[in-house]
Amino acid sequence: AQKITQTQPGMFVQEKEAVTLDCTYDTSDQSYGLFWYKQPSSGEMIFLIYQGSYDEQNATEGRYSLNFQKARKSANLVISASQLGDSAMYFCAMRDPYGGSQGNLIFGKGTKLSVKP
Amino acid sequence: NAGVTQTPKFQVLKTGQSMTLQCAQDMNHEYMSWYRQDPGMGLRLIHYSVGAGITDQGEVPNGYNVSRSTTEDFPLRLLSAAPSQTSVYFCASSYGLGTPSYEQYFGPGTRLTVT
Repeated sequence: AQKITQTQPGMFVQEKEAVTLDCTYDTSDQSYGLFWYKQPSSGEMIFLIYQGSYDEQNATEGRYSLNFQKARKSANLVISASQLGDSAMYFCAMRDPYGGSQGNLIFGKGTKLSVKP
Repeated sequence: NAGVTQTPKFQVLKTGQSMTLQCAQDMNHEYMSWYRQDPGMGLRLIHYSVGAGITDQGEVPNGYNVSRSTTEDFPLRLLSAAPSQTSVYFCASSYGLGTPSYEQYFGPGTRLTVT
């Protein structure tokens, strides 16, 4: 069964420094998609970045990049130059290839990031 | 576009009461789903729909019903509320089924408390 593991319940980072949030996944499928979402204290879910299993290059979106290591089944989120507004919960998710015509997402338990001034 | 809208934002129910959480999207998305978020548990899928008239169960469907009569709307019904259903509920939608990189758009959430 597909599974997402986020081993860091909480992390601290100094403002302007880079931080890596860990995500490992378990799947036997060759085709899959990985997502990162941000959830600030206001509660909404904000899409950050996507990586496809066949993408040869790591995905990047502004200050966010995804360190995709397929052999190790890891999809870590790297936030460069942290800002106070980055303080939030971060969720890693994987598309379920067998669920809902590949619409369903399987989420990890999240990492709470706190940025210190 | 309003995106994905959910009503109400907050709700308090007594055990045994029933209610419907509303979800609507104006993006003509085929796929819609309901998740619940509990502390320390991440988001878990309750029910989903791949188009009007088609619904299916997710990971935690017990105690909930759904129907999809239109592309736009996907209500979630709590049949007889229990304290274990105290949670934050998110509706989500996406398009391009079969397209690898489509993202799910989430509504703002409904915070439900059952006493």
